[in-house]
Amino acid sequence: GENVEQHPSTLSVQEGDSAVIKCTYSDSASNYFPWYKQELGKGPQLIIDIRSNVGEKKDQRIAVTLNKTAKHFSLHITETQPEDSAVYFCAVPPHAGGTSYGKLTFGQGTILTVHP
Amino acid sequence: DVKVTQSSRYLVKRTGEKVFLECVQDMDHENMFWYRQDPGLGLRLIYFSYDVKMKEKGDIPEGYSVSREKKERFSLILESASTNQTSMYLCASKGPFYEQYFGPGTRLTVT
Repeated sequence: GENVEQHPSTLSVQEGDSAVIKCTYSDSASNYFPWYKQELGKGPQLIIDIRSNVGEKKDQRIAVTLNKTAKHFSLHITETQPEDSAVYFCAVPPHAGGTSYGKLTFGQGTILTVHP
Repeated sequence: DVKVTQSSRYLVKRTGEKVFLECVQDMDHENMFWYRQDPGLGLRLIYFSYDVKMKEKGDIPEGYSVSREKKERFSLILESASTNQTSMYLCASKGPFYEQYFGPGTRLTVT
C-alpha cells in the first residue's frame, strides 16, 4: 500500500511568519494530493488539493507545491494568523491501478500553533 | 454544503459492551468511510462502503464491523468494546473525485 510520511509533527510560528509542512509518498503513480485542516472539536476539512498535471496551486494565503520526481508535496501558509492554528493532514490515494473506491492514505498530522 | 453528522460527540462505554456509532450524509454519496484518529498516527481507515450493503475492510478492521442498509447511513459497530478502542472516530463520505467530507467525530472512551 501507499506509505505517507508527514513532517514536522509540530510547528510553532509567530503571527505573520510563513509555515511549511512536507509530505512524502511512495507510489510514483499517485495523481492527487490534498491537504486537510482539522480545527479543535471538528472533523478534517479539505483546504486545497493539487493534481499531478500541475506543479503549484495557490488559494489566497495557502499554496501546495508538488515535486513528482522526488515524490513529495508541501503546504505553504503565508502571513499566518492565530486562526490558522490547527492540525493539518496530507493524504494520497492508493496507486492508480486497480479499484480504490476513493480511499485516501493520510499522513500522521502536523500540529500548527500560531502565536499572536 | 455537504453535511455529515455523527450520532454522538462523546461516548463512554464499559469493556465488553456492544457499541454503535452512526453516521449520516445528505449528499447522496456512494462511498463512505470510518476512520479512527490517534495522536501521532493520523487517520487510519477501519472500513469503507461503496454502495448499500457493500463493504470492505480498511487497514485496521479487527474488532469492528459495519452496516450500510441505506445509502445515507453508515454504522460502525464495536462487538465487544475494549480499552484499546478508546479513540476519536471519524466518518466521511466521498464526493465526485477524491475529496472526502468528514463529520465532527465521536470521542469514545472505553473503561
